[in-house]
Amino acid sequence: DADVTQTPRNRITKTGKRIMLECSQTKGHDRMYWYRQDPGLGLRLIYYSFDVKDINKGEISDGYSVSRQAQAKFSLSLESAIPNQTALYFCATSLLGRDAGELFFGEGSRLTVL
Amino acid sequence: ELKVEQNPLFLSMQEGKNYTIYCNYSTTSDRLYWYRQDPGKSLESLFVLLSNGAVKQEGRLMASLDTKARLSTLHITAAVHDLSATYFCAGGPTGAGNMLTFGGGTRLMVKP
Repeated sequence: DADVTQTPRNRITKTGKRIMLECSQTKGHDRMYWYRQDPGLGLRLIYYSFDVKDINKGEISDGYSVSRQAQAKFSLSLESAIPNQTALYFCATSLLGRDAGELFFGEGSRLTVL
Repeated sequence: ELKVEQNPLFLSMQEGKNYTIYCNYSTTSDRLYWYRQDPGKSLESLFVLLSNGAVKQEGRLMASLDTKARLSTLHITAAVHDLSATYFCAGGPTGAGNMLTFGGGTRLMVKP
């Protein structure tokens, strides 16, 4: 089983619908992230959380919200999906500390908004 | 705000050839990461470079970091088809914890 698990892996929805992407991890890491990948743009940070009580906006948080339900769970919500939110979404985790800044990624959730 | 630029964005090369992917970043970053992504897959960590002059090698890939030039390179030696993938570099501003900014990626195709 993957250390960082995302559900669903693929989702097609319509404009205006509420969507939740879920992420769970068994790595025991404190830090969790949501990134969005668009062709040619690399990965852009949406939200990040350094522990259960700490939530921070990333580069492109507008239109998204998150919830850190437990150390191991971090979900991303689109309250009212729009077509330009069509993208591949990745959850990632990392340890604390400068020397452990390496990210560990989930398999990705491909979202299509019609 | 840290900006990270990779070039080239696309690279088609023959097996057996050598090539270098460049990663430039705009402000101080004391660490640099390289990731590999196969089509439709997740990102896999390749190298973690944490100091000026750091050099790491794994198989046919070698990564280096020059913090003074704000440049990291990923050198491919005697490319093979299995290296075909998209490669991303990511940097983190000094003091920003684990916050990483990714480059746009270099799609590498190695032809037989």
